[in-house]
Amino acid sequence: GENVEQHPSTLSVQEGDSAVIKCTYSDSASNYFPWYKQELGKRPQLIIDIRSNVGEKKDQRIAVTLNKTAKHFSLHITETQPEDSAVYFCAAWGDSSYKLIFGSGTRLLVRP
Amino acid sequence: DTAVSQTPKYLVTQMGNDKSIKCEQNLGHDTMYWYKQDSKKFLKIMFSYNNKELIINETVPNRFSPKSPDKAHLNLHINSLELGDSAVYFCASSPGQPNSYEQYFGPGTRLTVT
Repeated sequence: GENVEQHPSTLSVQEGDSAVIKCTYSDSASNYFPWYKQELGKRPQLIIDIRSNVGEKKDQRIAVTLNKTAKHFSLHITETQPEDSAVYFCAAWGDSSYKLIFGSGTRLLVRP
Repeated sequence: DTAVSQTPKYLVTQMGNDKSIKCEQNLGHDTMYWYKQDSKKFLKIMFSYNNKELIINETVPNRFSPKSPDKAHLNLHINSLELGDSAVYFCASSPGQPNSYEQYFGPGTRLTVT
């Protein structure tokens, strides 16, 4: 069945460093790839997304890259700040399944 | 002006009881969802409704029954609660258009079964 694998499960970086989270999806029909940030006790919130006709998208300190051939997509956070500490989820939407499949999440800790 | 709201925020109940969680969205979206997030933070879709019609029903026990009285509301009723049902349940909505898959999550309902 459809699957999204996410790595690493935990990531600790020094404030100001970059953080990279990687995901792999299995459904070739997937065409939409959002990233959600979930702070402790809060709801998941969309931070950036990318569609299959685009290879890269950037929004200030956050960027997402997509390699459709390899079925990989990644989240890049530059100049990390303590408020970036949260759990990050990647997801993939498949036109064949009409649902979002979420990765298992990455707990990011930014050390001051 | 909350976009997606859920009630209650916390629910503590005993095994065997029946409980309901309510969800409402004021975004005019066509599609609504229920997700379960377990203690390891895995987010898994349970149900999806489009304009009051069930379109996704994952392998969820029959004890869980969603109901959508109109496209702005999607409620979740759970019968004979079990310890393993303890989790955070998120409602979400999306426009459901071909060009807009973004999902807007509610604040979640933390269900604890004792």
